[in-house]
Amino acid sequence: ETGVTQTPRHLVMGMTNKKSLKCEQHLGHNAMYWYKQSAKKPLELMFVYNFKEQTENNSVPSRFSPECPNSSHLFLHLHTLQPEDSALYLCASSQEDLAPKGNTIYFGEGSWLTVV
Amino acid sequence: AQSVTQLGSHVSVSEGALVLLRCNYSSSVPPYLFWYVQYPNQGLQLLLKYTSAATLVKGINGFEAEFKKSETSFHLTKPSAHMSDAAEYFCAVRGGPYSSASKIIFGSGTRLSIRP
Repeated sequence: ETGVTQTPRHLVMGMTNKKSLKCEQHLGHNAMYWYKQSAKKPLELMFVYNFKEQTENNSVPSRFSPECPNSSHLFLHLHTLQPEDSALYLCASSQEDLAPKGNTIYFGEGSWLTVV
Repeated sequence: AQSVTQLGSHVSVSEGALVLLRCNYSSSVPPYLFWYVQYPNQGLQLLLKYTSAATLVKGINGFEAEFKKSETSFHLTKPSAHMSDAAEYFCAVRGGPYSSASKIIFGSGTRLSIRP
């Protein structure tokens, strides 16, 4: 138990569906992240939120839409995805300040997404 | 810009043998360095981290890593491999005490297999 909970753990969706991934952290952190992990590729940072404000969008296609209603919750809304979007989506959180001091990023167990 | 290179996408050792997973980093400032482990169907878990204190860092499950500035390396070792160590291992670099860079950069990972 890392303190970062992701639901659902597995999701199968069609290319025309709309679905959402949910992440909740119980660590009191102020930063949250979405990463994409595909087979044989390095971890890809998608979005970063600090104090509910998006601070990074790593050129992610608009069919992925993040939402951060508060510092404890993060969503990834999915719409008209492509089969190549099938991957493990990892949520993470950390405690950040103006000068990060080697703060650890804590990961959830991930949501396996299959687009058919 | 910072980067990490993990030498060897797959390492196989016998149970009881020494584990050595290699990581070299590139950074214009003294960095913070991390090793994460990912067991099958799980998220990433922190093994250990270097934050400019002792150069030899001890982590969980008997792993340790040594920061060598002259070699720009942060190799992960364990004296005696156990079957339960089979997993994917990621080296990562992030900012540093004299840097405002906050993005964590992951290596491409090394899959460790343990032979009975």
